[in-house]
Amino acid sequence: SQQGEEDPQALSIQEGENATMNCSYKTSINNLQWYRQNSGRGLVHLILIRSNEREKHSGRLRVTLDTSKKSSSLLITASRAADTASYFCATVSQGGSEKLVFGKGMKLTVNP
Amino acid sequence: EPEVTQTPSHQVTQMGQEVILRCVPISNHLYFYWYRQILGQKVEFLVSFYNNEISEKSEIFDDQFSVERPDGSNFTLKIRSTKLEDSAMYFCASSVRPSTYNEQFFGPGTRLTVL
Repeated sequence: SQQGEEDPQALSIQEGENATMNCSYKTSINNLQWYRQNSGRGLVHLILIRSNEREKHSGRLRVTLDTSKKSSSLLITASRAADTASYFCATVSQGGSEKLVFGKGMKLTVNP
Repeated sequence: EPEVTQTPSHQVTQMGQEVILRCVPISNHLYFYWYRQILGQKVEFLVSFYNNEISEKSEIFDDQFSVERPDGSNFTLKIRSTKLEDSAMYFCASSVRPSTYNEQFFGPGTRLTVL
């Protein structure tokens, strides 16, 4: 299967609710990054978590990383309609490669 | 806030034609990348570029593709003879240090349509 698979693939919630997205990967990583993409637009970097980190916060975002399970989660608290977008996890593997390996992404819809 | 820019935003071309996609990375960044996203699919790495040479490329980046940094600001992707399957959104990205340390900043993309 593919590196960086998000779960669920689509999520629809009400404004104010929390949204949790999960990502699984296969290889040993150097770091894992989360990006957001509004429809038809570019990718916006949200947060980077290194392999030796377990949790990271940025505003309403909380990312966890479990290297033993090769998984990460992105939590968006108190969601807003403006959070409606596709969210991607991307990994940088150990071994010197600089490429980001993206998952298929998850479509989040926040209903007002 | 500095950002990566790309031109054009949309390019339509005939199969077999050459296209050049242009990017202006963030000015103090040293590492440059191209990715593409076929409609409805995941973002795929094409090539990374540092110190005026390709540092890594994917299987997609065959002899039909080339990259260049012709001056101190632009970073270009050339597709010599476009195919229908080259239709995709192409993203340029840059970073100040390698991805092992820092995030990549992406441009808004160029939508390439090959007819």
